[in-house]
Amino acid sequence: DVKVTQSSRYLVKRTGEKVFLECVQDMDHENMFWYRQDPGLGLRLIYFSYDVKMKEKGDIPEGYSVSREKKERFSLILESASTNQTSMYLCASSLARRFYQPQHFGDGTRLSIL
Amino acid sequence: AQSVTQLDSQVPVFEEAPVELRCNYSSSVSVYLFWYVQYPNQGLQLLLKYLSGSTLVKGINGFEAEFNKSQTSFHLRKPSVHISDTAEYFCAARGANNLFFGTGTRLTVIP
Repeated sequence: DVKVTQSSRYLVKRTGEKVFLECVQDMDHENMFWYRQDPGLGLRLIYFSYDVKMKEKGDIPEGYSVSREKKERFSLILESASTNQTSMYLCASSLARRFYQPQHFGDGTRLSIL
Repeated sequence: AQSVTQLDSQVPVFEEAPVELRCNYSSSVSVYLFWYVQYPNQGLQLLLKYLSGSTLVKGINGFEAEFNKSQTSFHLRKPSVHISDTAEYFCAARGANNLFFGTGTRLTVIP
């Protein structure tokens, strides 16, 4: 069965720290995505990647970077965490460049920045 | 302009009653449309999708949605809800490179 695994369900960090959120998928999907989810705002795309070492900015990339060194792993990096980055972060993956294919989601990481 | 609009942020409904969750999309997105469900403390799961063909799409857990091109709508329906349907529901549409999501509708089923 399809599996997208996010390394942490809950994470608490301090302002100014460098934060890594990890995501691994076992479906050999080319596309991977990072979203943040906030009440009343739905899901907003931070970054996505359609191949190893490739990345594209989404709607809200400021304050974030990503890394995709292997096909199955897509990391989200908060270079210097701030309190306004407290949120639920969701990773997703999908097949190839066929963006009509459904995305498969992990269970999310609830990140709190103090 | 908002690409995908979910007009109702919260919908309370009694158990075994019918429910409709509304979704409208703008002409700036393609007509590849999706409904996802998010149960508490979980990620999103695909309920159903419309890519082409029949405008009535059946999904999992007894849900269905109807694509209406003239009204640019893709409303989600279930004839009789269960307590376990309490969750947040997201409508989504394909953009150039990714999906555009609506802001979500929280469905609460009341015993």
